[in-house]
Amino acid sequence: DVKVTQSSRYLVKRTGEKVFLECVQDMDHENMFWYRQDPGLGLRLIYFSYDVKMKEKGDIPEGYSVSREKKERFSLILESASTNQTSMYLCASSWPSTGGPGNTIYFGEGSWLTVV
Amino acid sequence: GQNIDQPTEMTATEGAIVQINCTYQTSGFNGLFWYQQHAGEAPTFLSYNVLDGLEEKGRFSSFLSRSKGYSYLLLKELQMKDSASYLCAVRDKNYGQNFVFGPGTRLSVLP
Repeated sequence: DVKVTQSSRYLVKRTGEKVFLECVQDMDHENMFWYRQDPGLGLRLIYFSYDVKMKEKGDIPEGYSVSREKKERFSLILESASTNQTSMYLCASSWPSTGGPGNTIYFGEGSWLTVV
Repeated sequence: GQNIDQPTEMTATEGAIVQINCTYQTSGFNGLFWYQQHAGEAPTFLSYNVLDGLEEKGRFSSFLSRSKGYSYLLLKELQMKDSASYLCAVRDKNYGQNFVFGPGTRLSVLP
């Protein structure tokens, strides 16, 4: 079974703090993603990566950066946390599109971040 | 651009059948997915359609019509544990092969 592990389930941080959210997957997937999920807004893509050292902006990259130094690990960084970044953050991974049900995306458990 | 619509909320009774609809607009369709998400948990994969027609998987079935940009998820013999949000998603070749998610449909199953 595919496992996507997020390092922290619940975090409370102060405004202005630097925040690291770590994600590790064990399926050798090329593609990795960071989403945030907010009530009424659904899942929104922050950043994604197709390979080590590569990163691409998603729909809402402002205020975030990412790092992918190893294939299995994708980190989301909030350089200076703000209260509007209070949300649930989901890491995910997938194969490049190959067709079939294996085309799906696998999610981690989620990290609930509160910025006070 | 891409756009996916689903009803926001639905309510059904235990033992009944419910159909959750999804309409989408995308330029590079490469598969439609349904995910189940219980409150406070991550989405989990339910079903996949890439060709027109019905895919059945136990109590869950999913239908796709590419010409209409339409899919539905059918849940039979509803159980209380089916109370969850159901997310429709499309993989888009013209969006870097990324997944575009609908807003999700919150289903409440009542006794």
